Amino acid sequence: AQKITQTQPGMFVQEKEAVTLDCTYDTSDPSYGLFWYKQPSSGEMIFLIYQGSYDQQNATEGRYSLNFQKARKSANLVISASQLGDSAMYFCAMREGMDSSYKLIFGSGTRLLVRP
Amino acid sequence: DTGVSQDPRHKITKRGQNVTFRCDPISEHNRLYWYRQTLGQGPEFLTYFQNEAQLEKSRLLSDRFSAERPKGSFSTLEIQRTEQGDSAMYLCASSPRQVVSEVDEEQFFGPGTRLTVL
Repeated sequence: AQKITQTQPGMFVQEKEAVTLDCTYDTSDPSYGLFWYKQPSSGEMIFLIYQGSYDQQNATEGRYSLNFQKARKSANLVISASQLGDSAMYFCAMREGMDSSYKLIFGSGTRLLVRP
Repeated sequence: DTGVSQDPRHKITKRGQNVTFRCDPISEHNRLYWYRQTLGQGPEFLTYFQNEAQLEKSRLLSDRFSAERPKGSFSTLEIQRTEQGDSAMYLCASSPRQVVSEVDEEQFFGPGTRLTVL
């Protein structure tokens, strides 16, 4: 079974508007972390935001916020005031606490295109 | 403070040849990971080192793949007898070991090595 599901292969957003990128996850581990990474066409993975399973409040980092709904097992990324430079692939990832390697499990990604 | 570096950035090889990639993690990061990313997919875990010890290998890491991290610093990933299906981006990531909470430690990624097998 897929541990991380990103159902939107591609998204468009108008510059300066907000956009939500969906992510659902599947784990039985009570301790886990959820991450969002941005991958521009150059290829490097850029860390955006993190949410821990025990965090009571949704994480925020500048224009990025994470809409964490634990009961629904969703961790959607919200980008406010989109900029042209936000055009990239976005990956949701999870780390499980019982995994001794603490490796990241990634979804298949969403390609975001910001229109001027 | 430099980030994770990988060399080479691009590699084109013929089927059947051996290739070796290098990853230099952030200084004093004792955890090092290799991932593989094929076109249109997210990265997939290949292997993990804590210091010089290789502690986990994915089933994706066939016998043709070998990774080392001598002295717990840089790491190499070698692919023997390359196949066209090995064409992918190979990403290296490192992270420090946190005593309090390891589930939230950030992994810092390198720029990747893009392998094309003809």
